[in-house]
Amino acid sequence: EPEVTQTPSHQVTQMGQEVILRCVPISNHLYFYWYRQILGQKVEFLVSFYNNEISEKSEIFDDQFSVERPDGSNFTLKIRSTKLEDSAMYFCASSEPYGYTFGSGTRLTVV
Amino acid sequence: AQRVTQPEKLLSVFKGAPVELKCNYSYSGSPELFWYVQYSRQRLQLLLRHISRESIKGFTADLNKGETSFHLKKPFAQEEDSAMYYCALIRGSTLGRLYFGRGTQLTVWP
Repeated sequence: EPEVTQTPSHQVTQMGQEVILRCVPISNHLYFYWYRQILGQKVEFLVSFYNNEISEKSEIFDDQFSVERPDGSNFTLKIRSTKLEDSAMYFCASSEPYGYTFGSGTRLTVV
Repeated sequence: AQRVTQPEKLLSVFKGAPVELKCNYSYSGSPELFWYVQYSRQRLQLLLRHISRESIKGFTADLNKGETSFHLKKPFAQEEDSAMYYCALIRGSTLGRLYFGRGTQLTVWP
């Protein structure tokens, strides 16, 4: 069964540093998403991406965040200057008309 | 505005007992409802979607538009069902943003 692949599985970074989280969506999917889950809290939507542009973003997705699909396969989330409160599990997902598939997540720890 | 409410943060049952995880939603249109399961902080896996009306791992969920509920049920719980369960909603299309409930941690005791 096709999978959404995320790398790295765990990243530790210092506050103020830039991080890039990588995702390889399922190849024939057209919509891509980033969600995050702070420990002990619910899964929150960050951004959706379609046709090489952001289709929707949440209030969490401020100027610190950006997404890119630099080639035909990767979908990246960049956090420009990380804060302690960015520590969370970040999930990538892609979808086709009948549902989502999530990646296994990247655990980001900001110290 | 849309909202998904899972009133129980924790739910414990014994193996073989029936289990029901509650989910209520608020949305003025016609939503698509889903249940996702997350085992030990692994990836979110789709368990059920209301449009397919299927039963996965013995779980079923019926959309009750009158009560705006989408409760997840299983007649005989198994230890391997212990996991975090999230109810989620998409507004009117399966290609939109997912709105999640806060999740219910189900523990099935032997």
